Parts: sequence; C-alpha cells; structure tokens
Amino acid sequence: DAGVIQSPRHEVTEMGQEVTLRCKPISGHDYLFWYRQTMMRGLELLIYFNNNVPIDDSGMPEDRFSAKMPNASFSTLKIQPSEPRDSAVYFCASSLHLGGYTFGSGTRLTVV
Amino acid sequence: RKEVEQDPGPFNVPEGATVAFNCTYSNSASQSFFWYRQDCRKEPKLLMSVYSSGNEDGRFTAQLNRASQYISLLIRDSKLSDSATYLCAVRGGSSNTGKLIFGQGTTLQVKP
Repeated sequence: DAGVIQSPRHEVTEMGQEVTLRCKPISGHDYLFWYRQTMMRGLELLIYFNNNVPIDDSGMPEDRFSAKMPNASFSTLKIQPSEPRDSAVYFCASSLHLGGYTFGSGTRLTVV
Repeated sequence: RKEVEQDPGPFNVPEGATVAFNCTYSNSASQSFFWYRQDCRKEPKLLMSVYSSGNEDGRFTAQLNRASQYISLLIRDSKLSDSATYLCAVRGGSSNTGKLIFGQGTTLQVKP
C-alpha cells in the first residue's frame, strides 16, 4: 500500500501566482480531506469529499481557494491568486468510511 | 472557545516516567475520538482510537470521560522515541459527519 500521495512536497511561489496541490488517496477509501497546518492555527479542515462529492467546504478561507475531486483516485486544491498568508503545510488525508485518517506527507507552501 | 483544546506543553520528562495528556471537547454529541502522533516536519499518524470503556496498546492507555467531555492519553515508561507532538481528534456530533476536529497538540520531550 503506497499510502496517500501528495505532490509537490515543497512549493515556493510569488504572490499572485496560481498554486495547485495534488493528492492521490489510498485505493478504496471513500473519504478525502484537505487540511492546512500552521503554528498559529494548528490543523484546520478546509474541505472534505465523500465518494468524490464535496460534503463540507466551510473551512475554505475564501474564494481564492477551490478543490476538486474528478475521480476516486485524484484530488486537487487550487489557490488563485496566492498570498503570503497562505504559507502553510497542506495535508491531504483519506479514510475508509468514518475510521481514522491516513495523512499524506504534506505540501510545504511558501508564498513570497 | 475552541471545539477541541489541549495544553500545548511542552512536557519535559525523564526516560521511564509516566506522563498524561488531557484533551477537552465542546460538543457533547461528539461520536468518535482519536489520538495522533506527529513528529517534527512530518504528517500526523494515527496512534490509537479511544473507546468508551478505555483501551490500552502496550505502554499507551486512552480513556474517554463523556460526562466531563475530555479524553486522556497515558504513556508509561517513556522512551526517548516517544518525543513528539500528540494531537487529539474528535469527530463531530452528527452521525453523518466525516470530519475530524484536531486540537493544537501537546509537545512531549523525553530526556535521558
């Protein structure tokens, strides 16, 4: 089992640029979650999907953030335009039904 | 008030010590509870679920107190390798919600 796979591992971009983060969940898992982690705010849930359908996006900070899950094996989180305050580690996680999550290794985003 | 709260620590203990962390939650209808471990610059990893009757896994014991709305994690005979941040996670009040709310984490440093 390859686990949850995220790419890229690190991303440095200039303010105003578009950023796309990618996630491949564990095969067979029916839930996918996007979290953001910062020192100040900890782990915050941004959005989650069940069977590829967005269920709760109340954590998405603003319209600059969007997420898609076109199929069971792929999801993207896009930030357009990016701002320095978006700098954080973004984690994707998946789970089977309502069990514990398995997290990916995260994408460390720096917006300068 | 945050939905899930933890004492950030750090807890500095000598090897072999017993240490306990508490985590309080605000939603009395919460359904599921977990402890995660996060090493520096790594993703959170599931340590153990927390069951109503309490449960043990080797040196680790987790307990749930619904009346007072807290969960606890006890680590006996601490090892240097136990040094990490421990995050509690609580699943929301509706039986249909998949999302976990995480505490800020408690940092443990075990010293020789």
